[in-house]
Parts: sequence; C-alpha cells; structure tokens
Amino acid sequence: LAKTTQPISMDSYEGQEVNITCSHNNIATNDYITWYQQFPSQGPRFIIQGYKTKVTNEVASLFIPADRKSSTLSLPRVSLSDTAVYYCLVGSNDYKLSFGAGTTVTVRA
Amino acid sequence: ETGVTQTPRHLVMGMTNKKSLKCEQHLGHNAMYWYKQSAKKPLELMFVYNFKEQTENNSVPSRFSPECPNSSHLFLHLHTLQPEDSALYLCASSQDYRGQYEQYFGPGTRLTVT
Repeated sequence: LAKTTQPISMDSYEGQEVNITCSHNNIATNDYITWYQQFPSQGPRFIIQGYKTKVTNEVASLFIPADRKSSTLSLPRVSLSDTAVYYCLVGSNDYKLSFGAGTTVTVRA
Repeated sequence: ETGVTQTPRHLVMGMTNKKSLKCEQHLGHNAMYWYKQSAKKPLELMFVYNFKEQTENNSVPSRFSPECPNSSHLFLHLHTLQPEDSALYLCASSQDYRGQYEQYFGPGTRLTVT
C-alpha cells in the first residue's frame, strides 16, 4: 500500500492557481493516482485520476513526472467555493485505499 | 447528487439502542464501502463488499455489523455503541473494488451516541 504525503494546509486568493503536491515514493507499477475533494459534512467527490504524464479535465489538471513518485493537482483560478479538503490516493488492484489527512485549501476573497 | 443515497442523514442514539444505517446506489456498481470519519481525522475504511461478498473488515468492533443483501443496498447495523463512535458514516460505491475505479460517496449519516 503506497503511503502518500501532502501538505496539511494551503491558503490562496480568488483567481489564483493552486498547486498541491503529493509524495508517493513507493508507488507500485499498477497504481493509479486519484484526487478527491471534500466539503464539510459531505462525502468526498472525485476530481481527477491519472497514471502518468498529464491529465486535464474541466475542473483540474494532474501532473505526474516520469518517476511517478509524486503528483501535483492544479486548480486554475480558484474561487471561494473551492475551499475544501483535497485528498491524494494511490491504489490499484489493492482496494485498501488510504485517504490520509488531506490538504485543507482555504480560498480568501 | 452522486447516485448514492444514505438514510437517515442524522441519528442520535443511546448506548443501549439498536439502529441501522441504510445505503443505496443507483449506479449499477458492484462494490460498496462503509467509511467512518471522526472529527479532525482521516476517513477510515470499515468494510468492503464486492458482488455482495464481504472482502474487507478493517478490525472493526463487533458492535458494527454490515449487511449487503444485493449489490445495490448496504446496511450498517449498530448496537451498544460508545460515545467515541459518534462520527460521520459514509457509504460509497464503485464499479469494481480495485483502486483505479472512482468511488462515489453518499452524503453520509451524522451519528451521535449519547
């Protein structure tokens, strides 16, 4: 089970780009990297998933270097509603996903 | 709306009560999960079911008893709980139990044990 390490918190302002880096040094060959977002008193919500290089969807981008030992979630032009906890998960055939403590992102006006 | 519903949304129970949490998914998924999230703590995976069969029990106390009658429904039966069991209980489902499949979470049940 690949362990992940993320910053505990990050502050930003509306309109800025937020980049959250997750370390997963012992990632396995078959592991995918997935990010979730969670608002208070709600269940987590899938944001993006990738295996290598770069993935982009309508809400975020995920950058994965060649060695795959880290990944960076990029949130472009954040708004107040992006204030949430963001989780980095690594998993494959092993369903024992570990959500960890996540990164609390606070967006200020 | 994620396609995963949970009832009740809020529950207050005494330590001697017996209650059940219900989860239903309308996504045609084969795997379902129970998580516990205590204040200021990470999500803890409690149980995993794949095609109605329990595949994981993460050392959860026997006062929590899961039941999965079919791939769309999941229950968590509660009895003689402790105050430290107060938490947000989240249900999730995914196409398959393997890690590369996105999990869809319900809104959770906020449980308070008095």
